Amino acid sequence: EVQLVESGGGLVQPGRSMKLSCAASGFTFSNYGMAWVRQAPTKGLEWVATISYDGSSTYYRDSVKGRFTISRDNAKSTLYLQMNSLRSEDTATYYCTSASFAYWGQGTLVTVSS
Amino acid sequence: DIQMTQSPASLSASLEEIVTITCQASQDIGNYLSWYQQKPGKSPQLLIHSATSLADGVPSRFSGSRSGTQYSLKINRLQVEDTGIYYCLQHYSAPWTFGGGTKLELK
Repeated sequence: EVQLVESGGGLVQPGRSMKLSCAASGFTFSNYGMAWVRQAPTKGLEWVATISYDGSSTYYRDSVKGRFTISRDNAKSTLYLQMNSLRSEDTATYYCTSASFAYWGQGTLVTVSS
Repeated sequence: DIQMTQSPASLSASLEEIVTITCQASQDIGNYLSWYQQKPGKSPQLLIHSATSLADGVPSRFSGSRSGTQYSLKINRLQVEDTGIYYCLQHYSAPWTFGGGTKLELK
């Protein structure tokens, strides 16, 4: 059974950094691209970033380019999202997903507030 | 960027009724279209992929169709457990974009 478990969310002040993790199991992690999708409170879904199976290619939405970095450790079957210079508009539940968007984690809430 | 215009934004329907939700893509996306159901406090669940293929474990009352750049999700014989918010997603090209969502309630 595919499992994606996010961690690392919480309350952070504007301008600070936070790193999210996603532990994957139940499939061969190193064979698949992965992505992050977020959802602001009471809002819709928004794609954030995607990384290829080997980490050689990454893609970001414009609003996070230069601030967020998606990465992976295939030896640990773990996906990461390093978020710098956080803004109030980054407040959301962040979901780890397969790059096909077929499998989703339960999400981790990031709240950016002073 | 490819825009996905989803309608209606909300919908109230009766048990056993047929429900249809549509997404209009701003350009050709082929069959790179998926549908999701999201329940309150839960992550989205895949219903349909490749525009018309039913995901594993999804009841057969759900179906997807395509006409040009318009995509539809149909629910035959609506059940209580079908309430929630439905989203379409285009994964043809980055930035991947979701429709605005359809909130489905029971009448």
